[in-house]
Amino acid sequence: DAGVTQSPTHLIKTRGQQVTLRCSPISGHKSVSWYQQVLGQGPQFIFQYYEKEERGRGNFPDRFSARQFPNYSSELNVNALLLGDSALYLCASRWGQGGRTEAFFGQGTRLTVV
Amino acid sequence: RKEVEQDPGPFNVPEGATVAFNCTYSNSASQSFFWYRQDCRKEPKLLMSVYSSGNEDGRFTAQLNRASQYISLLIRDSKLSDSATYLCVGARVKIIFGKGTRLHILP
Repeated sequence: DAGVTQSPTHLIKTRGQQVTLRCSPISGHKSVSWYQQVLGQGPQFIFQYYEKEERGRGNFPDRFSARQFPNYSSELNVNALLLGDSALYLCASRWGQGGRTEAFFGQGTRLTVV
Repeated sequence: RKEVEQDPGPFNVPEGATVAFNCTYSNSASQSFFWYRQDCRKEPKLLMSVYSSGNEDGRFTAQLNRASQYISLLIRDSKLSDSATYLCVGARVKIIFGKGTRLHILP
């Protein structure tokens, strides 16, 4: 079985540009969450989607948006990129949305904004 | 108080020693807890789930103390390959990570 897949793995963008990151969860998993991790810090929660609906949003500006598709894959969009958006973006896949379901992560997309 | 808090370390421990980490949590983070391991520039990987009173998996033991609101991870007979960052996680609908504790096992 394929694990969580994210694309692209690495990305370099210029300030002010827009970026779209993609995530395919484990087959059968209906919940996808997005996290931002800057060097030396733990992952910070951005969004959670379950059954194509947003179920949670972290403390990120409106430049960040996401959606989940009928096949449960997800996209994270970031507009008007800032240098501070440079980070590892992680996608987590869970079977359900409850606390007892373990999360499995993709390898991440490393975004560099120059 | 932050939802999940950890001592960032680093913990520098000789090979073969026993090392323990603690993680404290606030009420809003609680339903289930997990320990994840993260190697440098890699994604977090699930190490252990911590349900009810805790559990053990080989050299690793995790404990949950709901009265005192902390979770612990004990690593016995530490190996060089245990060097990593250990992330404490509280989960309800959303998953909340601590900042991680860096562990260096010294030869």
